[in-house]
Amino acid sequence: GAGVSQSPSNKVTEKGKDVELRCDPISGHTALYWYRQSLGQGLEFLIYFQGNSAPDKSGLPSDRFSAERTGGSVSTLTIQRTQQEDSAVYLCASSLGTRIQETQYFGPGTRLLVL
Amino acid sequence: GENVEQHPSTLSVQEGDSAVIKCTYSDSASNYFPWYKQELGKGPQLIIDIRSNVGEKKDQRIAVTLNKTAKHFSLHITETQPEDSAVYFCAATPNSGNTPLVFGKGTRLSVIA
Repeated sequence: GAGVSQSPSNKVTEKGKDVELRCDPISGHTALYWYRQSLGQGLEFLIYFQGNSAPDKSGLPSDRFSAERTGGSVSTLTIQRTQQEDSAVYLCASSLGTRIQETQYFGPGTRLLVL
Repeated sequence: GENVEQHPSTLSVQEGDSAVIKCTYSDSASNYFPWYKQELGKGPQLIIDIRSNVGEKKDQRIAVTLNKTAKHFSLHITETQPEDSAVYFCAATPNSGNTPLVFGKGTRLSVIA
């Protein structure tokens, strides 16, 4: 079956522009997670959704970052007024249930470069 | 909050040799420890996990050991093959509530044929 997909796969933008990153989770998965992976670093948790609600937004680095999920499926991560330090790979994952210990299935990521 | 340290950051082994990657964690409440493998250009993929009610778990050439007293856990890969070359991440989280996974910074494993 289809795995987690993300689009675009690569995004180059100019400093100050807004960007939207999309995640399509595995069908039927109720939990969805966003992570950021900077060069040579581990995965930094950003936010996760149970259904359409986000119980934990503690990882969002600033108020320029926001995310939403509609219909319990697709999620978008929006970065407003992008800065060069936002350049990273943004990974999305989904899991069947809402317990954090459920296996998380990752998408291939969106590589964002802010010039 | 939880803090996970992972060592080494890079590891090179000859094909057929064993590889060991070690992680330590800070939160004694953590009791779920997954390991992920990330190949170039792909997202991480779960390869094995362990919960605190066991000290060791094996799956073919891969094993994970957990020492809760010392708060460290390790990934062991035996009879390494070139396709084992990837970045490996450990993670930890408490079993209660919805605390997110906290990942180590990763280990780049190179298996030399």
